[in-house]
Amino acid sequence: GIQVEQSPPDLILQEGANSTLRCNFSDSVNNLQWFHQNPWGQLINLFYIPSGTKQNGRLSATTVATERYSLLYISSSQTTDSGVYFCAAKSLRNSGNTPLVFGKGTRLSVIA
Amino acid sequence: GAGVSQSPSNKVTEKGKDVELRCDPISGHTALYWYRQSLGQGLEFLIYFQGNSAPDKSGLPSDRFSAERTGGSVSTLTIQRTQQEDSAVYLCASSLIAGGRYEQYFGPGTRLTVT
Repeated sequence: GIQVEQSPPDLILQEGANSTLRCNFSDSVNNLQWFHQNPWGQLINLFYIPSGTKQNGRLSATTVATERYSLLYISSSQTTDSGVYFCAAKSLRNSGNTPLVFGKGTRLSVIA
Repeated sequence: GAGVSQSPSNKVTEKGKDVELRCDPISGHTALYWYRQSLGQGLEFLIYFQGNSAPDKSGLPSDRFSAERTGGSVSTLTIQRTQQEDSAVYLCASSLIAGGRYEQYFGPGTRLTVT
């Protein structure tokens, strides 16, 4: 099945700094999502982005489907951005609403 | 509108007991998924329901785990004879295909602790 790898595994930032998180996947996808898991464990949908670029406030994401990677950009980081960021993908080979395969996540700590 | 809800939010049980975890998907979503997240780990797929089709049980770790979805809506995940290694957060998600979009939405999870 599809493999999803995220880097870096851990990241510590000073408040106000920018960062880029990377997600590599091993197959063509028809679903790629970025999630933020907050300290209470809730998975928050950030982006649904099987291809292209999207922006939402200080966050933006780009997926280059032909090269099988996606990037999540966080600008002007805040302490509330802390948590674990997950990338998850579904292979184009799997039709319908089949499950997502998750990466191991990037644990982000933003320090004031 | 209302999101995915799960109950209970926390469950502590003794080894060997059975537990039931409940998931209410977003109204109208045809697909429902159960995942498990062990401490500090990523999410592991357990089981998936799509409409009236037979569920995909390929992720269930043992025959102590089962799930059902009644009326195409609410789902219950049952773990029989719980073991300490079953301790984890159990997450439910739902999705709807609309225009080829497969976005999944997650509930808050049930934290299961087996003592």
